[in-house]
Amino acid sequence: AQSVTQLGSHVSVSEGALVLLRCNYSSSVPPYLFWYVQYPNQGLQLLLKYTSAATLVKGINGFEAEFKKSETSFHLTKPSAHMSDAAEYFCAVSPAGGTSYGKLTFGQGTILTVHP
Amino acid sequence: DTAVSQTPKYLVTQMGNDKSIKCEQNLGHDTMYWYKQDSKKFLKIMFSYNNKELIINETVPNRFSPKSPDKAHLNLHINSLELGDSAVYFCASSLSGGSYEQYFGPGTRLTVT
Repeated sequence: AQSVTQLGSHVSVSEGALVLLRCNYSSSVPPYLFWYVQYPNQGLQLLLKYTSAATLVKGINGFEAEFKKSETSFHLTKPSAHMSDAAEYFCAVSPAGGTSYGKLTFGQGTILTVHP
Repeated sequence: DTAVSQTPKYLVTQMGNDKSIKCEQNLGHDTMYWYKQDSKKFLKIMFSYNNKELIINETVPNRFSPKSPDKAHLNLHINSLELGDSAVYFCASSLSGGSYEQYFGPGTRLTVT
């Protein structure tokens, strides 16, 4: 069984400030981890993924995330927020291994607001 | 060119009706998925097909029936629509193997009145 918890349904930052969106996972087998972004009335876009290679993963739009097995965390960060980063962010997990067929379990989402 | 497309984008219908949503991908992927996003934005997988074979079938009312005529297309038919079926339905696709990195369509917003 697997689950994802995103701490904080809303995060508000000023433009230029650090963005930190928290994600903790629970998985009975080694996981693959993903961050997706959803802009209003759009589909989900993959930001980055962890697939058991490097624990620090760099993604698009300046985002990165660090896999910490001891903390079962995969927090998303960006050093300097832009107004265009305002969106909803979803953390997701799937079990590594072929029998899962990529079945994603999503967290509840975090809405990021960026103030000028 | 749109990678994963869905039709229609919006669907408003009355309770009891039957409706279908279509999905097509031009990425050359062999695995496709249906997800439901409820009013609280919670996303949950419903079904997945790999090369026209059903491989994921979550606990979903049997009023929902997916069909995959080929590996580039996945449709979702819903019978006897209920108010609780109102949601945004997303199609996604991936290549099988590895992390099954999924690419999502723009969604179909279904409103049942």
